Amino acid sequence: NAGVTQTPKFRVLKTGQSMTLLCAQDMNHEYMYWYRQDPGMGLRLIHYSVGEGTTAKGEVPDGYNVSRLKKQNFLLGLESAAPSQTSVYFCASSYSGPVNYNEQFFGPGTRLTVL
Amino acid sequence: DQQVKQNSPSLSVQEGRISILNCDYTNSMFDYFLWYKKYPAEGPTFLISISSIKDKNEDGRFTVFLNKSAKHLSLHIVPSQPGDSAVYFCAASGGGTGNQFYFGTGTSLTVIP
Repeated sequence: NAGVTQTPKFRVLKTGQSMTLLCAQDMNHEYMYWYRQDPGMGLRLIHYSVGEGTTAKGEVPDGYNVSRLKKQNFLLGLESAAPSQTSVYFCASSYSGPVNYNEQFFGPGTRLTVL
Repeated sequence: DQQVKQNSPSLSVQEGRISILNCDYTNSMFDYFLWYKKYPAEGPTFLISISSIKDKNEDGRFTVFLNKSAKHLSLHIVPSQPGDSAVYFCAASGGGTGNQFYFGTGTSLTVIP
């Protein structure tokens, strides 16, 4: 079991460039999440998905788009990167939602720098 | 507005002593609380959780206490070990928050050998 994997691990972008971060999980989890971690801010939810083909906005969704075409994959897209999007991005998955008292499993993170 | 707060950015403890990490929340609808541990360059890993029907949950050296009236939870690590040195995040969910977890800003614990 690989758990939750993220691709790439590091990336440097120039302002205005686009990129896609890939998250994959092999635990057959229904729920998947994208967070960003910034100094002094903790983890903030960007978007999440409660199942294949569904997505929803989290706390800080602006500037990002997501897609969940397959149950095991959750993609995070930046259409036009800005320096404010420099952050560490974490993907997470869970079998079910918080209402069923399920914890989340996290990937190792992607460190993104936007120049 | 930060709904989950960890007011101590860092904590240092001698090996073998007790570590106490604190977390406060503002949303009285939260009913599920978790602690995660994070090493540098890794993702957070789940440590222990507690639901609002309990006031204590124990797992080995780790105990989480919940005080609903004070909207406060704490993580006790006894005895502390050097391998416990990491950043600890508390998280909460429930009520009207739907499928979201809200995380605190983290406390960096250093256990001194």
